[in-house]
Amino acid sequence: GESVGLHLPTLSVQEGDNSIINCAYSNSASDYFIWYKQESGKGPQFIIDIRSNMDKRQGQRVTVLLNKTVKHLSLQIAATQPGDSAVYFCAENMKENSGGYQKVTFGTGTKLQVIP
Amino acid sequence: EPEVTQTPSHQVTQMGQEVILRCVPISNHLYFYWYRQILGQKVEFLVSFYNNEISEKSEIFDDQFSVERPDGSNFTLKIRSTKLEDSAMYFCASRGTGRIRAFFGQGTRLTVV
Repeated sequence: GESVGLHLPTLSVQEGDNSIINCAYSNSASDYFIWYKQESGKGPQFIIDIRSNMDKRQGQRVTVLLNKTVKHLSLQIAATQPGDSAVYFCAENMKENSGGYQKVTFGTGTKLQVIP
Repeated sequence: EPEVTQTPSHQVTQMGQEVILRCVPISNHLYFYWYRQILGQKVEFLVSFYNNEISEKSEIFDDQFSVERPDGSNFTLKIRSTKLEDSAMYFCASRGTGRIRAFFGQGTRLTVV
């Protein structure tokens, strides 16, 4: 559900372990789902996307899984490193109401803390 | 990697004053966006801009807000009469034609006092 206020869900992971960050989405009409990473004081940085007709996509050390049945998206980070510490946002890329143009709609973030 | 540049990085303004936040999108991008992030919360869509006009705006983007592409390189967000609740990080983003990935700037932290 929605997260309000100043408290983000936090995931603490030991360095070297795998991380799994989860996200629920609501709009079945989204074309793409995207994960963004936001480090403190910086703008969102694209990590990986997945088209809505796929269920898995792998990148470098990251894997995104999409379960359309339960409207669930996850980001798996292998061998988590201290530099992975950030807030991670899932996002939906959908056509705007005016048609044809796309915009990114962000979900609630999860703070990943990597313990050295 | 190409970058979206935003200036200033931090702006402090008095309530009721006008502010202009500036962005230089990536040079061959045609789709431009402004987002807002209140401290500790998620990134919220404000407005999208294409072909010299607004293509969509959110409920947040009321009559106090306006956007402009005054020349071939800059994209600005103006808040005409700032309120305390306008205090937030404002992110500009741009996207190329046919591309999914939007590139975000580093943000401007706006503090209204």
